[in-house]
Amino acid sequence: AQSVTQLDSQVPVFEEAPVELRCNYSSSVSVYLFWYVQYPNQGLQLLLKYLSGSTLVKGINGFEAEFNKSQTSFHLRKPSVHISDTAEYFCAVSRWSGFQKLVFGTGTRLLVSP
Amino acid sequence: GAGVSQSPSNKVTEKGKDVELRCDPISGHTALYWYRQSLGQGLEFLIYFQGNSAPDKSGLPSDRFSAERTGGSVSTLTIQRTQQEDSAVYLCASSLRGGGTSGRPGDTQYFGPGTRLTVL
Repeated sequence: AQSVTQLDSQVPVFEEAPVELRCNYSSSVSVYLFWYVQYPNQGLQLLLKYLSGSTLVKGINGFEAEFNKSQTSFHLRKPSVHISDTAEYFCAVSRWSGFQKLVFGTGTRLLVSP
Repeated sequence: GAGVSQSPSNKVTEKGKDVELRCDPISGHTALYWYRQSLGQGLEFLIYFQGNSAPDKSGLPSDRFSAERTGGSVSTLTIQRTQQEDSAVYLCASSLRGGGTSGRPGDTQYFGPGTRLTVL
C-alpha cells in the first residue's frame, strides 16, 4: 500500500517570498509522484508530475519539485510567490504498474499575504 | 476543449434518500475515476473505470455505493439510503488511458469541479 504525508497543514508566506511545501511518501513498490493545486470552489489541477528521468521537475505557474528517492520525498518549491498562489496543494502518488488510482496527502493550505 | 463536467454542482438531500451524481469525462478518455473529498478523510479513491468495466472498486465505502459507466463515456455514482457521513465533495477525473494491462501508467488525471453533497 502507498501513503503520503504532508506535515504542514498550513503555510503562511508573504508575497514575493520563496516557499517550500513538503511531501513524503511510503510505498513497497515504485511510484509516480504528482502535485495538484485546488483553488477555492474548484477541482484539482495538475501542477507537475515525476515519472522518470531528471529528478528536478518543472511545472506550471513557476513551481518545481525535486524527487529524492533515498529520502522518499517530493517537495514543492517556488522562488517567489504571488497572492494568486493562495490555494490548497495536494501531493499524490500512483503505482508504476496496475491501476492508476491516486493516493493523496492531506493537503497544505498556502496563504500568501501582501 | 471541454473539460470534465459534473452535475449537479450542489445536492442537498435528506437522510435515507437515494442520490445520483453524474460525470461527463473528456471526450476520448477511456479511464474514469471517482474520488471523495471530506473534512475527516481527505481525498479518497472510490472506483476506477476502464471503458465500461470497473476493475477497481476497492474504495467504495459500503454496498450503498455503486457506479456505472455507459458507452465508455458518462458515469453515474449512486448512493442509496444516504447517511450524514456521506456528506462530501465527490470528484470525478478522467485520463486518456488508465493503467493495468491496457493502459499507459502516469497519464494525467483531469478533474471536474465536483458535486457537493449535503445529507441533512
